[in-house]
Amino acid sequence: AQSVTQPDIHITVSEGASLELRCNYSYGATPYLFWYVQSPGQGLQLLLKYFSGDTLVQGIKGFEAEFKRSQSSFNLRKPSVHWSDAAEYFCAVGPPGGGNKLTFGTGTQLKVEL
Amino acid sequence: GAGVSQSPSNKVTEKGKDVELRCDPISGHTALYWYRQRLGQGLEFLIYFQGNSAPDKSGLPSDRFSAERTGESVSTLTIQRTQQEDSAVYLCASSFGTGRETQYFGPGTRLLVL
Repeated sequence: AQSVTQPDIHITVSEGASLELRCNYSYGATPYLFWYVQSPGQGLQLLLKYFSGDTLVQGIKGFEAEFKRSQSSFNLRKPSVHWSDAAEYFCAVGPPGGGNKLTFGTGTQLKVEL
Repeated sequence: GAGVSQSPSNKVTEKGKDVELRCDPISGHTALYWYRQRLGQGLEFLIYFQGNSAPDKSGLPSDRFSAERTGESVSTLTIQRTQQEDSAVYLCASSFGTGRETQYFGPGTRLLVL
């Protein structure tokens, strides 16, 4: 069965510092890959997604993610974190053919120190 | 409305009571999903509706859980004889269809079973 691992439960960074959130997946084939962000009291918002093609994907709010097939990873990065980025971040995978169920990781809670 | 809406935003109930949670998807979205998010965990897929096809109920944890959808609009998730372990945030999402379509999430219903 597919699974998603986000090894860091909590991460704290200083404002202006760079950020990398890790995501590893287990799947029989290359799945569709997603990063969502959840701010307190808000629904999940899609940051970016990867289906095929260029392995470096640009998203909203200055985020990017790189798909590395050899490492089964899809890490999220941002060069300079803003205080408003404090939130919970979820990596998710969907079946290669597209479609319904997304499998989510347990999330990484990001705290930004001013 | 512009996004997925859910009601109520919060629900407190007593063990053994039935609850109904409502989801209004984005207009025109044919696919609708329900997920459950327990404290400190990722989202768990519950059920998926696509057009007039039979729903995918593979994620429902027990027969106390059921969901209905009227055409391509409102959906109701019903939990009968609630248990304390049902306490969670229940998230609804919708998309134009399956395949590569992005799932857009509502703000969720926070359910507390006493």
